[in-house]
Amino acid sequence: SYELTQPPSVSVSPGQTARITCSGDALPKQYAYWYQQKPGQAPVLVIYKDSERPSGIPERFSGSSSGTTVTLTISGVQAEDEADYYCQSADSSGTEVFGGGTKLTVL
Amino acid sequence: QVQLQESGPGLVKPSQTLSLTCTVSGGSISSGGYYWSWIRQHPGKGLEWIGYIYYSGSTYYNPSLKSRVTISVDTSKNQFSLKLSSVTAADTAVYYCARDVKIVGANWFDPWGQGTLVTVSS
Repeated sequence: SYELTQPPSVSVSPGQTARITCSGDALPKQYAYWYQQKPGQAPVLVIYKDSERPSGIPERFSGSSSGTTVTLTISGVQAEDEADYYCQSADSSGTEVFGGGTKLTVL
Repeated sequence: QVQLQESGPGLVKPSQTLSLTCTVSGGSISSGGYYWSWIRQHPGKGLEWIGYIYYSGSTYYNPSLKSRVTISVDTSKNQFSLKLSSVTAADTAVYYCARDVKIVGANWFDPWGQGTLVTVSS
């Protein structure tokens, strides 16, 4: 089955830039999406179609794509950004798949 | 602003059928343009997409769960439902419903319900 691979954890100091990657063979052909999930809460969409930001999401959140890897970048990380982040995409049959998640720790 | 709310039993016995309902407010399922999905999250783990339904009743399920899953829609109540049969402890998870936005070549989930924990135990 198709898999999206994320690093289990990323740590960054406040004000620095956090980069979270997601790798998958189909990513050159499929868009990727990113969700933020804080403890005890439902996921929230922060990036769609690789790099589009929904209304209400701070400008410090951005996304990019290169080959089989997509990247979520959080510039000027704030304490409130500490959360789990999941990428999502689809395989060739249209089955939606999530990455394993990355825990962002703000030191 | 569309909101979704899951409801259903929090405890299900092994081998029985898990049944959950998602009530949509702030928008009509029948208006079309969106699909409606179920997603689950095992305790402390990642997310797993279960399947979706369109207001017309057309469905698509994750092949890994397809043999046990049924998703249905009740447009008169603005609800859609999940049934998962023959459950085991491995089905213990937080179950989310979400609006499934599909545009040609793109598909994402927004917004999500708050989630409901279902525990499978005797």
